[in-house]
Amino acid sequence: EVQLVQSGAEVKKPGESLKISCKGSGYSFTSYWIGWVRQMPGKGLEWMGIIYPGDSDTRYSPSFQGQVTISADKSISTAYLQWSSLKASDTAMYYCARRGSGSFSYYMDVWGKGTTVTVSS
Amino acid sequence: QSALTQPASVSGSPGQSITISCTGTSSDVGGYNYVSWYQQHPGKAPKLMIYDVSKRPSGVSNRFSGSKSGNTASLTISGLQAEDEADYYCSSYTSSSTFCVFGGGTKLTVL
Repeated sequence: EVQLVQSGAEVKKPGESLKISCKGSGYSFTSYWIGWVRQMPGKGLEWMGIIYPGDSDTRYSPSFQGQVTISADKSISTAYLQWSSLKASDTAMYYCARRGSGSFSYYMDVWGKGTTVTVSS
Repeated sequence: QSALTQPASVSGSPGQSITISCTGTSSDVGGYNYVSWYQQHPGKAPKLMIYDVSKRPSGVSNRFSGSKSGNTASLTISGLQAEDEADYYCSSYTSSSTFCVFGGGTKLTVL
C-alpha cells in the first residue's frame, strides 16, 4: 500500500526551531516529488513547496521562500519541513503529499494525514 | 486572497446534481489542462477526486466529473449523497508561480 506517514503533533514556543517529517512507503520514494501544504485553522489549502528526493531539487512558493526549508533523506525515504524560528502565525496543519507520476503531473495523488503544529507562548 | 476563485458554499438535496466553479486566468486554469479537485472531510486529509481537468483516479465514483471552459473549471457531482458533504478545493498549474495554486475552497452542504 502506498502511504505517507507524518510525524506527530508538535507544541512549540515562538522562536523555537522545528522539523517535521513525512515517510513514504509502498513505492519508489526517489521517483516522485513530495510537496508540502499548509492549512491554517478554519482556512483553505496553501501550496508551500515541493522536493524531488532523487536529487533534492526543491521549489518554493514565493509566499514561503525563506520562511521554511524543505529537505529529504532518500536513504530513509523521508521528506522534511523545518523552521528555524517559529512564529504564532505558523500554527496550522501541515500536509505532505505525493505528486502524480510523469513530468506533466500537476496534482497530488497520495496525502499524509497531516501534522498539527501549535506555536504559543 | 486565493489565486483561484471558488464560491464559498453550495448546497443540494440528495439525488440532485451540483456544480462548483473555479475561476482563474489565462496563466493558470485557462492556459493549461492541469486542473485538479480535492475533497476534504472535517478533520481529514484532502483526497484527489479529479485531475487533468476531467480524469478520475481509480476508486473515485463516476458521480464526480470535471470540465473546463475558458478560465473557469467546474466540478459536477451527480446523484448527491450525504457522504459528499465536505469541502472541495480546486488547484491548477500556474505559470506565474511555483508549481500550483489552490482555490479558496467550497463547502458543500447536502440538505
